[in-house]
Amino acid sequence: DAKTTQPNSMESNEEEPVHLPCNHSTISGTDYIHWYRQLPSQGPEYVIHGLTSNVNNRMASLAIAEDRKSSTLILHRATLRDAAVYYCILRTSGTYKYIFGTGTRLKVLA
Amino acid sequence: DSGVTQTPKHLITATGQRVTLRCSPRSGDLSVYWYQQSLDQGLQFLIQYYNGEERAKGNILERFSAQQFPDLHSELNLSSLELGDSALYFCASSASGGGSQDTQYFGPGTRLTVL
Repeated sequence: DAKTTQPNSMESNEEEPVHLPCNHSTISGTDYIHWYRQLPSQGPEYVIHGLTSNVNNRMASLAIAEDRKSSTLILHRATLRDAAVYYCILRTSGTYKYIFGTGTRLKVLA
Repeated sequence: DSGVTQTPKHLITATGQRVTLRCSPRSGDLSVYWYQQSLDQGLQFLIQYYNGEERAKGNILERFSAQQFPDLHSELNLSSLELGDSALYFCASSASGGGSQDTQYFGPGTRLTVL
């Protein structure tokens, strides 16, 4: 399975944008990039996913580099409720395992 | 609320015992996944069932087994429990078989404590 690398932790001020990076230099052409987050004492929840183009939804935006070797999850205005561990995962067609790495622990400061 | 339910929320038992964790997927979802999350190991994929059949296996111990029933609910059986099995166990479901665009919805988890 292709691997992802994320910083262990990041901090952001409330109401400011947050850019969470993910490196996936061994990504293959058909791998989808998925982001999940896990709030304290809860199960992970889906955030967003994409293949090549940038994607937006009500929770976040996903910016994918042109060579697809990295991506960035963008939270446009961080709130205290966004404090969580954010996981970047590659999904390969034909494989059914989800490999969660260690993720990035986001701390939001009031 | 993801629509995935897990019971029980908490379970305390002794070493050597056997327990069963239960999961009901979201309405209409055909796949069920089981994960273990402990402090030192992070979130580990255990096993996936799709429409009653085992589809993928991860780091699941031989002492653990799972099944998915015709009504699509799933059970994870843990036997000969050891202290190291203490963890949060999450169930997730997805609409289809787990393809590259499949989105998983996680339940609230069962916290297992082995004394």
